[in-house]
Amino acid sequence: NAGVTQTPKFQVLKTGQSMTLQCAQDMNHNSMYWYRQDPGMGLRLIYYSASEGTTDKGEVPNGYNVSRLNKREFSLRLESAAPSQTSVYFCASTAAKTQYFGPGTRLLVL
Amino acid sequence: EDQVTQSPEALRLQEGESSSLNCSYTVSGLRGLFWYRQDPGKGPEFLFTLYSAGEEKEKERLKATLTKKESFLHITAPKPEDSATYLCAAHSGGAQKLVFGQGTRLTINP
Repeated sequence: NAGVTQTPKFQVLKTGQSMTLQCAQDMNHNSMYWYRQDPGMGLRLIYYSASEGTTDKGEVPNGYNVSRLNKREFSLRLESAAPSQTSVYFCASTAAKTQYFGPGTRLLVL
Repeated sequence: EDQVTQSPEALRLQEGESSSLNCSYTVSGLRGLFWYRQDPGKGPEFLFTLYSAGEEKEKERLKATLTKKESFLHITAPKPEDSATYLCAAHSGGAQKLVFGQGTRLTINP
């Protein structure tokens, strides 16, 4: 099993550009999550999906949208990137209580 | 508001020098306290889950304990490969939402 995979690994955007971060899991987990990690701020929840077909806002949802494409895939979209969205983005999934994380996407917005 | 605080922010030890990391939490109705290890440039890797005060779990040189207000990660006779950032997170409420602390960056010098 690959676990949780994320693409791309690294991306540079200009302010105002859009992009979609992809996440997939092969563990048949129901719930999936998107976090951002910034120095000194810890991991902060952006959006989550408790099950296929549902999504909910987390702590810092502004400027982001998500799509739970199917049980395996959960994407995060930045419609108009801003420098404040420079961060490392992690996707996670869980079936019971433990969240398993992907390797992350490093995003730099200039 | 749910809150998780870790101390110290950084800790430097000599190989073999045992110590403890602290995680203080304020959550309404704790449903689980999680410890993760994160290596530079990688996603968090699950270590332990604790559910009730008095519970302890061990893995190699690591032992996690839980009280009603805090959790400790004890590191016994650490080795350089134990160097990493250690994150704790509290589960409060539904949909498996975790509140993360800022992490403790541990360095073990040979």
